[in-house]
Amino acid sequence: KAGVTQTPRYLIKTRGQQVTLSCSPISGHRSVSWYQQTPGQGLQFLFEYFSETQRNKGNFPGRFSGRQFSNSRSEMNVSTLELGDSALYLCASSSTGATDTQYFGPGTRLTVL
Amino acid sequence: AQSVTQLGSHVSVSEGALVLLRCNYSSSVPPYLFWYVQYPNQGLQLLLKYTTGATLVKGINGFEAEFKKSETSFHLTKPSAHMSDAAEYFCAVSNNNDMRFGAGTRLTVKP
Repeated sequence: KAGVTQTPRYLIKTRGQQVTLSCSPISGHRSVSWYQQTPGQGLQFLFEYFSETQRNKGNFPGRFSGRQFSNSRSEMNVSTLELGDSALYLCASSSTGATDTQYFGPGTRLTVL
Repeated sequence: AQSVTQLGSHVSVSEGALVLLRCNYSSSVPPYLFWYVQYPNQGLQLLLKYTTGATLVKGINGFEAEFKKSETSFHLTKPSAHMSDAAEYFCAVSNNNDMRFGAGTRLTVKP
């Protein structure tokens, strides 16, 4: 079956703008997690959604938000972009959550100028 | 709170040599432990995971890891390195719906 897809793959924005990233999980998976990966901070957990509800949230400011739709597709939004938001944003899906095997998408590379 | 420490941000081995990537975890409850590999410009791929039961876990591509509760460790090993093993490796711990990753270890394989 098809893997996790993320769109767009690459994105360039300027400071102060907002951005929306999309993630389509593996068919049948109800959990979607988002991670930020940077050279300095490594992989950091943003939040996890399960059946349209946010179950867990990492230590990120309120500018980072997300949602999940009834078909399990998820979006994350970053408002008022800062230079430090430049990162690879990874989405992972699983059947039940973080204790289950997570399947990662290829990521969206966001560059903030 | 749970956390992961990976000892050594860079490890270099010769082709055919033993690969040992170290991971220590901290968790207040029995953990679920994972090793993921990331190739350049790609997402993460699961190598193996420990949930319960047998403490020696075998994964893909000849990798294995042993869960040692007394040492709070989950080191990754492979008897003989291949050039194709060059990548970044991440250890992760989860005990609820929150997965925490280590900083990663970049493995270089020399011919």
